[in-house]
Order: sequence, then C-alpha cells, then structure tokens
Amino acid sequence: NAGVTQTPKFQVLKTGQSMTLQCAQDMNHNSMYWYRQDPGMGLRLIYYSASEGTTDKGEVPNGYNVSRLNKREFSLRLESAAPSQTSVYFCASSEFLYTEAFFGQGTRLTVV
Amino acid sequence: GENVEQHPSTLSVQEGDSAVIKCTYSDSASNYFPWYKQELGKGPQLIIDIRSNVGEKKDQRIAVTLNKTAKHFSLHITETQPEDSAVYFCAATSNTGGFKTIFGAGTRLFVKA
Repeated sequence: NAGVTQTPKFQVLKTGQSMTLQCAQDMNHNSMYWYRQDPGMGLRLIYYSASEGTTDKGEVPNGYNVSRLNKREFSLRLESAAPSQTSVYFCASSEFLYTEAFFGQGTRLTVV
Repeated sequence: GENVEQHPSTLSVQEGDSAVIKCTYSDSASNYFPWYKQELGKGPQLIIDIRSNVGEKKDQRIAVTLNKTAKHFSLHITETQPEDSAVYFCAATSNTGGFKTIFGAGTRLFVKA
C-alpha cells in the first residue's frame, strides 16, 4: 500500500520555466490537497479538490494551477516559475474534507 | 487574515518527562483541530485530532484538549521517548467561505535520553 506518491522528489528550475508536480493516491480518497512548506511558516494550502471534478483555491493559489485528473490523481502546475516559489511541496489526501489527511513525501523545488 | 499561533517553537525535555505544546486560533468558526508529527525528510503524519464538540481526547501517551471559548488547544505527550523527537504542527480547520486549514509554525521537540 503506497499511500500518497509524489513525483519528482527534487527539482531545480530556472526562473520562467514551467513544470507539473504529480500526485497519486491509492486509498480511494475523495479529497486531495496541495500544500507548500517554507521554513518557520508551517504548511499553507495552495489548492484543494473536495471530490473528483472539483477544485478550489486555498490560502496561497497565485502562480499555480491544478488538475484533478481522476479520483486518484491531482497535479500542480507552475506556469512560469519564480524564486518565491522555492519551497517544499506536499500533496495530501483524505476520505472527505475534515477527516484525517495522509501526506506524501514531498517535492523539494528550487527556482534559480 | 486568520492565523494560528503555536508555542513554544523549540522544546527540550528529558526522556520520561511530559511535553506540552499550545496553539491559539483566531477563526471562531474552526471546528476540526488535527496535530501532525513531521520527521526529517518526511511528510507530516496525523497523531491525534479533535472536533469542536469534544473537550478532550486521549490516545495512549498523547492527549489533546480544546477550549473553544478561549480559542485554545494543546497537545500533551506523557512519558516521552527519544523517538518522539520531531517537529509537531497544530492546525485549525473551518468551512467559512470554503474549506480552510491554517497551520501553526511548528514546535521542534527534542527528547534527551
């Protein structure tokens, strides 16, 4: 049982480049989330998907887009990366909103 | 905006002692309060959670208390062990204007053997 799988684990981008972070869960969860974690700031919600077919903005959505491809997969896209997007990104899933969330191992992204 | 304050930022205890981490939230509509443990290089893992209709919850050595009037909740770890060393995060979740979850900045706990 893999849980929540994120790819890639590490990535270095140049300013202005684009990339997509992939996330898949095998727990048949309805809800999925993308967070970023910066030093000393805890986690901040970027986007979430309450159920397949829906996506909504979280606390810090600017500069990002998401796609809920199917019930298992939820991707995060940076269209034009900026140094301020250097962070560790975590994907999570839960059976429903307001229930226990399971996190992936994270993607460490550096934008130079 | 809404925020969650978490204290202390660092906590060092002797093995076997208790550890207490406190959080205060600002959104009075918050109704779900999870606590996460994060080990180095890993994603956060839920250790206990509490909902707004409950004042206290316990799971073996871990307990959480909630005071909705004061908008305050705390994590209590008893009989600490070296493997409890990690960063702990509190969070407050509400559905005001859509799903919202605000995390505290984290507490780094060191348990000395």
